[in-house]
Amino acid sequence: LAKTTQPISMDSYEGQEVNITCSHNNIATNDYITWYQQFPSQGPRFIIQGYKTKVTNEVASLFIPADRKSSTLSLPRVSLSDTAVYYCLVGDLKTNNNDMRFGAGTRLTVKP
Amino acid sequence: DAGITQSPRHKVTETGTPVTLRCHQTENHRYMYWYRQDPGHGLRLIHYSYGVKDTDKGEVSDGYSVSRSKTEDFLLTLESATSSQTSVYFCATAGGHGTEAFFGQGTRLTVV
Repeated sequence: LAKTTQPISMDSYEGQEVNITCSHNNIATNDYITWYQQFPSQGPRFIIQGYKTKVTNEVASLFIPADRKSSTLSLPRVSLSDTAVYYCLVGDLKTNNNDMRFGAGTRLTVKP
Repeated sequence: DAGITQSPRHKVTETGTPVTLRCHQTENHRYMYWYRQDPGHGLRLIHYSYGVKDTDKGEVSDGYSVSRSKTEDFLLTLESATSSQTSVYFCATAGGHGTEAFFGQGTRLTVV
């Protein structure tokens, strides 16, 4: 997978929009950008995946600029229950390395 | 949720005994992974499989072995459990679309 860099931690308040950015300068042509959410004592949960431009689902939006060297996960109007660790992964298991390693992620704390 | 089942969910074992954890999937996914997670260390990849009988080491493979004799099952064996292998173990499966993966509920293993 491509090397990624994301903030170690972020704080927010309930009702705010949260944007978490991931840098991936050496992204390959076939690579996708994938985000996961992990709550304590649970396995990571797939949130969203994109290749370019913008992807939106019921949970989040993923913004990817034209050069694809970074991406931003956007969580609208967060609540206390969005407090979790968020991981960014960049790769494509079919065409590149199957070795899927997670970094430290971004620990998001939502305050009342 | 993807059909991934880990068993057992909890286990206490003695130092020096062999232990096998099972991951069973009903998604017909090609790729399967075993991770461990300890406080302060995040997710660490132990072993992974890219097909039946095709496996490879991850970043913390010492003391662990795996087997995959059929698509749906991926077994993780601790040949002689040590206290340092006390951890929460997660299994994940992926179909190969980008890095989209699905995780099991985890197995909490305590070695006394």
